[in-house]
Amino acid sequence: SQKIEQNSEALNIQEGKTATLTCNYTNYSPAYLQWYRQDPGRGPVFLLLIRENEKEKRKERLKVTFDTTLKQSLFHITASQPADSATYLCALYYNQGGKLIFGQGTELSVKP
Amino acid sequence: DSGVTQTPKHLITATGQRVTLRCSPRSGDLSVYWYQQSLDQGLQFLIQYYNGEERAKGNILERFSAQQFPDLHSELNLSSLELGDSALYFCASSVSSGEVYEQYFGPGTRLTVT
Repeated sequence: SQKIEQNSEALNIQEGKTATLTCNYTNYSPAYLQWYRQDPGRGPVFLLLIRENEKEKRKERLKVTFDTTLKQSLFHITASQPADSATYLCALYYNQGGKLIFGQGTELSVKP
Repeated sequence: DSGVTQTPKHLITATGQRVTLRCSPRSGDLSVYWYQQSLDQGLQFLIQYYNGEERAKGNILERFSAQQFPDLHSELNLSSLELGDSALYFCASSVSSGEVYEQYFGPGTRLTVT
């Protein structure tokens, strides 16, 4: 079965720096990959989607890359702010099976 | 606010009991998804309905069942509850079914089984 690995350790960075979160997967590549933000006790919030034939997607201070050779996606937050502190989940969608599979998430803490 | 509503917000019940969680999707969304989130398992997909029909199934236990009604709201029924069923249960909705775009999550129902 598919396995998704995200940094299990919390990522602590200084305000203004770029945060980079990693999502690795095994076996075959998904049709597309999504990133969500989740605050404690709340539902995940969709951030970005990138398809298997796309290399990079941007939205404001967010950037996602997708490397099907490395089986990896990187999620960047530039000019990070304390308000960016949350858990970030990557989710993979496979046409076969038709469901999103979520990683365990990486907790990001941005210090002022 | 995602536009997805879930009730109740909190639920405390005893082992062996049965509960029903309710979800109303965003206006216009035809797909509803149910997820379970516990500390050790992360966000686990349970089941999806599209316009009243079951479309995809994940790691849903036989003690759990769900349905989507003509008005598109959905209910998740959990029976013969065990301590290990304590978790946050999320409902999400999206416009389409076969090719999923973003999902909009509700605020969740926190279930505590004692």
